[in-house]
Amino acid sequence: AQKVTQAQTEISVVEKEDVTLDCVYETRDTTYYLFWYKQPPSGELVFLIRRNSFDEQNEISGRYSWNFQKSTSSFNFTITASQVVDSAVYFCALSGANTGNQFYFGTGTSLTVIP
Amino acid sequence: DAMVIQNPRYQVTQFGKPVTLSCSQTLNHNVMYWYQQKSSQAPKLLFHYYDKDFNNEADTPDNFQSRRPNTSFCFLDIRSPGLGDAAMYLCATSRDGTAIGYGYTFGSGTRLTVV
Repeated sequence: AQKVTQAQTEISVVEKEDVTLDCVYETRDTTYYLFWYKQPPSGELVFLIRRNSFDEQNEISGRYSWNFQKSTSSFNFTITASQVVDSAVYFCALSGANTGNQFYFGTGTSLTVIP
Repeated sequence: DAMVIQNPRYQVTQFGKPVTLSCSQTLNHNVMYWYQQKSSQAPKLLFHYYDKDFNNEADTPDNFQSRRPNTSFCFLDIRSPGLGDAAMYLCATSRDGTAIGYGYTFGSGTRLTVV
C-alpha cells in the first residue's frame, strides 16, 4: 500500500521564522519518488522538488531545504526565514515504480505566514 | 510559454445539469490526467488518457466521463452533477505514463460550484 501522512494540518508562523513541514510515507516499492508541491490560494499545484529513493542527499534551494531519511520514511521540508508569499497549502506526494500513473498525496499542510 | 490551460477558472452549474470542463496543453505530452480536489483534501486521480487509451480509476463514479479528441485537448464531462461534486478539478499532463517522469505539469484548475 502507498500512503503519505502529513500530520500537521495547519501551521502559523511569524514572518522570518523557520518552519518545517513533516511528511511520512509508506510504500512496498523499492524504487519510488517523493515530491513536494505548493498550492497557493490561486489553486495551481506548483512543483517544488522530486527525490528518488536511492538519493538520500539533502537538498537546499534558496530558502527551501529537504531532509530525506529512509530509515524513518520521512521527507521533511524546511522553509528558512519564511515570507508572507510562502503562505499556501503544501502537499507531499509519493509515486512508486509500480504505481506509475498517479501520485499518492498527503492531506496537505496549510501554512500561514503572519507579517 | 508552454503550459496546461484550464477553462473556465470558475464554473457554476445547476444540480443535475451536465457540465463540461476543458483542458488544453501546448507541451505535446502524450498523457493527460484529471484530478478532483475537494475542499481541504488532497487531489484524487479520476482517470487519465495515455494517447487515445482511456484509463479509469476503479472508484471513479460513472457520472464522470472524459473525452480526448486530439493530443492537445481533454474534456471532463459530469453528466448529472450533485452537490458532492463541488470541487476543484485539476488537469495534468506528463510526457510518459509515469508520475516519476519529467515534466508532470498541473493546470491552474477549474473550481466547480453546484447550486
